[in-house]
Amino acid sequence: AQTVTQSQPEMSVQEAETVTLSCTYDTSENNYYLFWYKQPPSRQMILVIRQEAYKQQNATENRFSVNFQKAAKSFSLKISDSQLGDTAMYFCAFMKLFSYNNNDMRFGAGTRLTVKP
Amino acid sequence: NAGVTQTPKFQVLKTGQSMTLQCAQDMNHEYMSWYRQDPGMGLRLIHYSVGAGITDQGEVPNGYNVSRSTTEDFPLRLLSAAPSQTSVYFCASSYSNPSGSNEQFFGPGTRLTVL
Repeated sequence: AQTVTQSQPEMSVQEAETVTLSCTYDTSENNYYLFWYKQPPSRQMILVIRQEAYKQQNATENRFSVNFQKAAKSFSLKISDSQLGDTAMYFCAFMKLFSYNNNDMRFGAGTRLTVKP
Repeated sequence: NAGVTQTPKFQVLKTGQSMTLQCAQDMNHEYMSWYRQDPGMGLRLIHYSVGAGITDQGEVPNGYNVSRSTTEDFPLRLLSAAPSQTSVYFCASSYSNPSGSNEQFFGPGTRLTVL
């Protein structure tokens, strides 16, 4: 079974600074996806960024980037130029590639990020 | 497109009552799932469906039933509610995309309290 671990329950950062959220996972699979989801107080789950394990290049989406270390089974999220709107719960998630169930995601417990003005 | 919709947004039940959480999507997605979110535990998969007429159990299926008679709808039934089922419930859908990643689209969630 796959497990996802987020070791930082809470973090804070000053507006405009950079913050990195950690995620590690355990799997025997070789082909999989990794995701970061954001959940603001509205409760809506919003996809931030995704990474295919077969791609060596780290994914980037505007101010969000990841550091994917496949051998170490590590998938951290870096938020640059933090904004007040980045305040949210962030979840790391794992999904097997070509899984029978396309929706079988395994989530970490989440990191609550607060951006301070 | 409305995306994934869930009703109700909030619900309070007494122990032993039954109810159905509704989920619908208008994106013609094959895959649909139900998750529950509890503090400190992230989201956990309850049941899922890979197409109309096909459902299966996820990580935490006990106390819940599902059915999928149409592509659009995927209701979750609580047969006899228990306080341990107090949680926020999310429905999600996705499509099979062999050439790309499989993004799940989530509904807004239902907050359920069982007294």
